[in-house]
Amino acid sequence: DQQVKQNSPSLSVQEGRISILNCDYTNSMFDYFLWYKKYPAEGPTFLISISSIKDKNEDGRFTVFLNKSAKHLSLHIVPSQPGDSAVYFCAASDGNDMRFGAGTRLTVKP
Amino acid sequence: KAGVTQTPRYLIKTRGQQVTLSCSPISGHRSVSWYQQTPGQGLQFLFEYFSETQRNKGNFPGRFSGRQFSNSRSEMNVSTLELGDSALYLCASSLTRRGRQETQYFGPGTRLLVL
Repeated sequence: DQQVKQNSPSLSVQEGRISILNCDYTNSMFDYFLWYKKYPAEGPTFLISISSIKDKNEDGRFTVFLNKSAKHLSLHIVPSQPGDSAVYFCAASDGNDMRFGAGTRLTVKP
Repeated sequence: KAGVTQTPRYLIKTRGQQVTLSCSPISGHRSVSWYQQTPGQGLQFLFEYFSETQRNKGNFPGRFSGRQFSNSRSEMNVSTLELGDSALYLCASSLTRRGRQETQYFGPGTRLLVL
């Protein structure tokens, strides 16, 4: 039962361009969403979050957009840097449980 | 403030053995959750402990168990190890219950290899 889906297992972008990572969910009770970044052999690092009462949250180069009607969120990274190359997980919580997507591997080419 | 720590970082065991992993949460955090990550898979939730009580459990066999101590430190135990248990085991801590509008902070993980 995959309630949180990241349909693109990988994404490759050029340095300086925009990276857009997508995440879809099925549970309409989810009200808090997070993005984590994970380097090999390390634990996931929290990047940015958004509450369901908002549709956008920015933190530096990272912006998360939430479309509740479409049950879709996306993470925009502008401009992308080689150090952003990592696996990105989206997560969603409903007040009682938290679910993670399978992750998208982002590669930023110099 | 120190982050989440996990010990050991790497572990090699053979089938049938048991293993205990340890997690120390961020100071003040009362919730500790455990996850399993295997190649190509997302983070599979194992269980959550809050105030020394298991509050939530994922879909894993009873060979996987855990506990939490009064200082919020947590241990996870896997008995009768199988080859498929080879994975990265991640611990995450948060101030309140997992699932609330609260960020979980992850440790570096314990890489377990079962031969």
